[in-house]
Amino acid sequence: GQNIDQPTEMTATEGAIVQINCTYQTSGFNGLFWYQQHAGEAPTFLSYNVLDGLEEKGRFSSFLSRSKGYSYLLLKELQMKDSASYLCVGLKAAGNKLTFGGGTRVLVKP
Amino acid sequence: EPEVTQTPSHQVTQMGQEVILRCVPISNHLYFYWYRQILGQKVEFLVSFYNNEISEKSEIFDDQFSVERPDGSNFTLKIRSTKLEDSAMYFCASSKEDPRANSPLHFGNGTRLTVT
Repeated sequence: GQNIDQPTEMTATEGAIVQINCTYQTSGFNGLFWYQQHAGEAPTFLSYNVLDGLEEKGRFSSFLSRSKGYSYLLLKELQMKDSASYLCVGLKAAGNKLTFGGGTRVLVKP
Repeated sequence: EPEVTQTPSHQVTQMGQEVILRCVPISNHLYFYWYRQILGQKVEFLVSFYNNEISEKSEIFDDQFSVERPDGSNFTLKIRSTKLEDSAMYFCASSKEDPRANSPLHFGNGTRLTVT
């Protein structure tokens, strides 16, 4: 199977840091995407990791460990507009199909 | 910034009717996709399309579904005889290259299909 697991919901305070963990079955995936999805809207691309290590993009960073089947998305200096679902998305090694996790709903409180 | 556009934003249809969901991918993109999201559930892959043919499809994408790129700009999803369980948000997406080349998918805002 190609399960992707992430927590359902997290709450954090404006200005704080939140780390969203994602685990996946290592066989069959070529890379990991993170997407942001506001309620009722399209997923928007945040990051892509294909090699182990940390990718930093402004307030958002993403980490991948392929041997452990583990990734995380780090959101720093949280803003109210960061309240959204964050989707961990695996890319199949063969083909170009994306497999989505259930998403982690992050609620940023003042 | 160029974006994927989808029409209509909402579609209500009766069970058994045919629907066509329309998408205009980003103009220089070569790979096209349909995904769907049933309310409260995960986004699910339906089909990918490249070089004027289906490159991959899921088990959801049965004989009731078809895709077409009728001209140089549109990409459509047809559901021949809709069922209640087809009610979902349907997202069109495109990517410039194969996503394995670090070419992310860009999603449209979706068409919410309600089958009554």
